[in-house]
Amino acid sequence: EAQVTQNPRYLITVTGKKLTVTCSQNMNHEYMSWYRQDPGLGLRQIYYSMNVEVTDKGDVPEGYKVSRKEKRNFPLILESPSPNQTSLYFCASSLSPWDPRGYEQYFGPGTRLTVT
Amino acid sequence: AQSVTQPDIHITVSEGASLELRCNYSYGATPYLFWYVQSPGQGLQLLLKYFSGDTLVQGIKGFEAEFKRSQSSFNLRKPSVHWSDAAEYFCAVGEGTGANNLFFGTGTRLTVIP
Repeated sequence: EAQVTQNPRYLITVTGKKLTVTCSQNMNHEYMSWYRQDPGLGLRQIYYSMNVEVTDKGDVPEGYKVSRKEKRNFPLILESPSPNQTSLYFCASSLSPWDPRGYEQYFGPGTRLTVT
Repeated sequence: AQSVTQPDIHITVSEGASLELRCNYSYGATPYLFWYVQSPGQGLQLLLKYFSGDTLVQGIKGFEAEFKRSQSSFNLRKPSVHWSDAAEYFCAVGEGTGANNLFFGTGTRLTVIP
């Protein structure tokens, strides 16, 4: 089954404790992206990757890191989480970043992160 | 700057009633237009898309949307709502080339009452 998986689905942590949220897709997609969803703000892009070893900042990258060493995986790293990073996080992927098909994004189920 | 506006934060409809969710965008050229649905506890799923051609597009689950260039709108419609349609709906606009240029509205939450 074609899908985007994220782990963990739920995470409660404390300020400053490094964490990683994994994202994996099995569709051989070139493009991958991370979003955060907050009430009243919709989805905002954190980082994206056009292909392996190619990543770039989205609209709200502060406090986050990413890497893309393999095509299928795109982990999101919070080196020192803070309470304002409490949010619902989505990973997404799409076939091609360079034509309209890239806008047809497939989303993971989400990771709800709480930082206390 | 590009923007996507969904003026209705929350809509309640009765099961079997018709539905229209509004979406307006600001962008100079004709953008690529999308509606995504987020069911409770799930990720977003693409409902339908408009790239070019016929301005009335059909999607999954019986939804349709109409692109009106003069109004910069892309409203989502369904003639008869089912209880399973209760979800949050996001309009999105893609501009230019590059999948990173996909911008989402703030969403409309749909409640369906029996």
